[in-house]
Amino acid sequence: EIVMTQSPDTLSVSPGERATLSCRASQSVSSNLAWYQHKPGQAPRLLIYGASTRATGIPARFSGSGSGTEFTLTISGLQSEDFAIYYCQQYNNWPPWTFGQGTKVEVK
Amino acid sequence: EVQLVESGGGLVQPGGSLRLSCAASGFNFDSYEMVWVRQAPGTGLEWVSRISAGSSWTSYADSVKGRFTISRDNAKNLLYLQMNSLRAEDTAVYYCASYFGSGWPFDHWGQGTLVTVSS
Repeated sequence: EIVMTQSPDTLSVSPGERATLSCRASQSVSSNLAWYQHKPGQAPRLLIYGASTRATGIPARFSGSGSGTEFTLTISGLQSEDFAIYYCQQYNNWPPWTFGQGTKVEVK
Repeated sequence: EVQLVESGGGLVQPGGSLRLSCAASGFNFDSYEMVWVRQAPGTGLEWVSRISAGSSWTSYADSVKGRFTISRDNAKNLLYLQMNSLRAEDTAVYYCASYFGSGWPFDHWGQGTLVTVSS
């Protein structure tokens, strides 16, 4: 099973600033890495797949990078609706599909 | 518009059973593989089970293997999760999600249904 580890657990950011979230895989997942946004009481939302491709309708302020075992999600110019929990997920070796433990982006 | 709507959650005693449903609309349900993912209180997302588009292949997390059964009815655009021998640690919000197949992420998700296992 591939273990996904995200850092930090919590990120305090002021609106308008940039947030940088990290995700590390215990072994290479190539570019088969997705990022999801999750708000309480809502459905998780696919943001990024293929490590760097934005999903349909996702604003350009969300960008992803990396391959192999190290990945980054960057949110440029944080808006109020971006404060949420973000999960990375590998879909290279399955089952099981595995998620990171999540990074909570909160208002500073 | 793609919609996934879960139902069937509730309070059940340890050792009991529950069947979750997920109603799909807005896409070619019979062309997509489907999964169940859960989130226990205070924790992250955990994949639970998967079923292929034509029901030929299923997979389960070790934590539910032998107790949960995934199935689907493509004629009715419905996905199911039969949960037996429920334990307190199965308490979670259960989400259904779709994906196009190997090499694709989970692209659409429902809002979830809460399952509480408690006496």
